[in-house]
Amino acid sequence: QKEVEQNSGPLSVPEGAIASLNCTYSDRGSQSFFWYRQYSGKSPELIMFIYSNGDKEDGRFTAQLNKASQYVSLLIRDSQPSDSATYLCAVKGDSSYKLIFGSGTRLLVRP
Amino acid sequence: EPEVTQTPSHQVTQMGQEVILRCVPISNHLYFYWYRQILGQKVEFLVSFYNNEISEKSEIFDDQFSVERPDGSNFTLKIRSTKLEDSAMYFCASRNRPGTGKGYDGYTFGSGTRLTVV
Repeated sequence: QKEVEQNSGPLSVPEGAIASLNCTYSDRGSQSFFWYRQYSGKSPELIMFIYSNGDKEDGRFTAQLNKASQYVSLLIRDSQPSDSATYLCAVKGDSSYKLIFGSGTRLLVRP
Repeated sequence: EPEVTQTPSHQVTQMGQEVILRCVPISNHLYFYWYRQILGQKVEFLVSFYNNEISEKSEIFDDQFSVERPDGSNFTLKIRSTKLEDSAMYFCASRNRPGTGKGYDGYTFGSGTRLTVV
């Protein structure tokens, strides 16, 4: 059973701080990694994607991938109250088009 | 920004009734998916659809479920005889051929249909 694990949180950070969200996955054949943001009652919204080991930056967001450790993370710099949401890690294998989602980490940014 | 459109936004149905959830994927996308999310739980894959046939399905997608692309724009999920445990948010998603568009193979999700079985 291919699994994606996330700490459910909540992760509480003050406004302006860096939020660090983590995810581990079980399938070594996984090739594509995604971070989605989901507000309560809404659909997942793609924030970042990463395919290669290392860091990938887009604005205030940085995704980090370590395939040897089967670990993906998302850093959110200068966190804003509007970043408060559940962040879903999703993984796609090489031979499958389906995404396997983690249960999500709830982030609370305190004003 | 192109969108995936889902209707209705909320559907209430009696146990045992058939429901059809409708989706209009992004027009140039080729791959279509249904996912569901039971309240408080993970987003779960149901089925993927490409070239007018199912390319992959999960254990959840049993004989009670079917998908169809009846014309060039709509993509539907039918549940033949709904059960209480089918109550969930159902998300349609679509994506283009890998490497096209924005250069990633991520999905665009619709806003979802909340299905309540009573």
